[in-house]
Amino acid sequence: DQQVKQNSPSLSVQEGRISILNCDYTNSMFDYFLWYKKYPAEGPTFLISISSIKDKNEDGRFTVFLNKSAKHLSLHIVPSQPGDSAVYFCAASAWYFKKSSGDKLTFGTGTRLAVRP
Amino acid sequence: DTGVSQNPRHKITKRGQNVTFRCDPISEHNRLYWYRQTLGQGPEFLTYFQNEAQLEKSRLLSDRFSAERPKGSFSTLEIQRTEQGDSAMYLCASTGTGGSNEKLFFGSGTQLSVL
Repeated sequence: DQQVKQNSPSLSVQEGRISILNCDYTNSMFDYFLWYKKYPAEGPTFLISISSIKDKNEDGRFTVFLNKSAKHLSLHIVPSQPGDSAVYFCAASAWYFKKSSGDKLTFGTGTRLAVRP
Repeated sequence: DTGVSQNPRHKITKRGQNVTFRCDPISEHNRLYWYRQTLGQGPEFLTYFQNEAQLEKSRLLSDRFSAERPKGSFSTLEIQRTEQGDSAMYLCASTGTGGSNEKLFFGSGTQLSVL
């Protein structure tokens, strides 16, 4: 079962505009959420994270919003730049399982973002 | 380079052959993870080590797969009698400086192609 879902496989945005990437999760035990960015033939690189005790976290052009009641999070990129073109993965972990699983992440299937010049 | 290192970057093999991949985590990290990623999917968890102890294995890790981390430093992932369905990118990640929420640092992966 897919515990972390990214229902939009792709997104195309004009340079300078806002990109909004969405993610839904089903496991109520998840309490830490991350966004990773991946270029072809490379490993995922960490972008931004949010703990379940917060509803917003901001880092420069990137903001992540968390709606726990809806089990939904989103990543906003403003303004979007051509260099942001990549696949973005939403991921989640659960502190409850840290003893047995460490910081194991469960990933979504990714959204491919294309930023048009 | 103090990041996670994986070797080889690419591996092409014939069905039925054995392959072994190596991962060198960030030196101060005691937790190491193997993931597998196929086209159009997100990374899927395979196994987790804390120091040299393998604490969790996914159901994805069939009997043909074995992972070791003998001295709590580098790790190897071996696939015996490879099948075409094993073709994927194998990712290694590490973490573990003791914080409550820690992000995983990934290597560049080993791309396996089974012909």
